Amino acid sequence: DGGITQSPKYLFRKEGQNVTLSCEQNLNHDAMYWYRQDPGQGLRLIYYSQIVNDFQKGDIAEGYSVSREKKESFPLTVTSAQKNPTAFYLCASSMRSGATGELFFGEGSRLTVL
Amino acid sequence: SQQGEEDPQALSIQEGENATMNCSYKTSINNLQWYRQNSGRGLVHLILIRSNEREKHSGRLRVTLDTSKKSSSLLITASRAADTASYFCATASNFGNEKLTFGTGTRLTIIP
Repeated sequence: DGGITQSPKYLFRKEGQNVTLSCEQNLNHDAMYWYRQDPGQGLRLIYYSQIVNDFQKGDIAEGYSVSREKKESFPLTVTSAQKNPTAFYLCASSMRSGATGELFFGEGSRLTVL
Repeated sequence: SQQGEEDPQALSIQEGENATMNCSYKTSINNLQWYRQNSGRGLVHLILIRSNEREKHSGRLRVTLDTSKKSSSLLITASRAADTASYFCATASNFGNEKLTFGTGTRLTIIP
């Protein structure tokens, strides 16, 4: 089945550690996105990529890093510089770059800092 | 920054009733989209309405858009228990429309 796969679903991290969240899509979509969701709140954009080997900062990029070496993969690293990393992270993709069409979301990764 | 604001923040209705939730936004848009999120899951796209459209239907969903008031509404008719979820509006700005900006959501509970 076509879709977006995020892993792991749950992740625990000690303070000071970097962690990488995986996002893979087999929809042949050009654009991919990472959002952060805090309890009872909407989604905030961390990074997005419209094409391979290119990505842009979103509204809350500080303390995060990404890469887009392959069309189907867009991993997110939460670095130790992120002061409050405990959150629900959602990866999404869209057929074309730009927000002219719908986003397809993965099931999310819940990160907890111990 | 959050472009859209949904109203109400939470809504509880009896099964079979209609549910209406609203979204207001601040800047000129290319399109507005509605998404559903079940607890602890990813978002699912429901419907997209473009800035030159005023109303759109999809099954039991009806979306309206009033660009003069910068607002949209989502109507779910004949609600079912399975409609219990959070609903978000998302807007694509006319200025740099390469990304969607999401609102804070409406938590809908359908009482059987």
